[in-house]
Amino acid sequence: NAGVMQNPRHLVRRRGQEARLRCSPMKGHSHVYWYRQLPEEGLKFMVYLQKENIIDESGMPKERFSAEFPKEGPSILRIQQVVRGDSAAYFCASSPGATVSWSSYEQYFGPGTRLTVT
Amino acid sequence: QKEVEQNSGPLSVPEGAIASLNCTYSDRVSQSFFWYRQYSGKSPELIMSIYSNGDKEDGRFTAQLNKASQYVSLLIRDSQPSDSATYLCAVNSFGNEKLTFGTGTRLTIIP
Repeated sequence: NAGVMQNPRHLVRRRGQEARLRCSPMKGHSHVYWYRQLPEEGLKFMVYLQKENIIDESGMPKERFSAEFPKEGPSILRIQQVVRGDSAAYFCASSPGATVSWSSYEQYFGPGTRLTVT
Repeated sequence: QKEVEQNSGPLSVPEGAIASLNCTYSDRVSQSFFWYRQYSGKSPELIMSIYSNGDKEDGRFTAQLNKASQYVSLLIRDSQPSDSATYLCAVNSFGNEKLTFGTGTRLTIIP
């Protein structure tokens, strides 16, 4: 029973390059969330997606950041023209979706991608 | 005012004692409440969820919710050194599935 999978686990990019982070939700989960954790700071919500739909992107910077969750394949968080301030741990979480019971709201986190921008 | 507030600690508790972690939230329409444990360099791990007023027990963990006071707590009984971690309180609101996290309380269990 595989959990949430993320890759790569570590990613080093030079300023100005693009970073692509991938997330595969737990089996049976249809809701995906991306969070960012800056060093010594709390987790901050970025975006919430269901298959082929962005439900809430209120936490995602308007420029350079985008996310998708296609019909087939993993969810992808894309950061264009990375800057040093993008260095952080990016976590993906998944949930079954708030349809059946309260436990449907429970979000389970993947191991994260640690992005370093040099 | 922060939406979710936790005492950052560090909180030191002797092994075998009860650790008490507290969290307050500002949004009255908050609906679901979660406690996550995060070891240094690792990802958050869900340990408790609570949705209605009162206590919820799971093994050595008890979550307590008081919606009138906008307060949620986590008790860890018979604390073990392996409980040393940062504990994150998270909240979401009705119709909004995104989680809002507190900054976490760093707990150290002293052998």
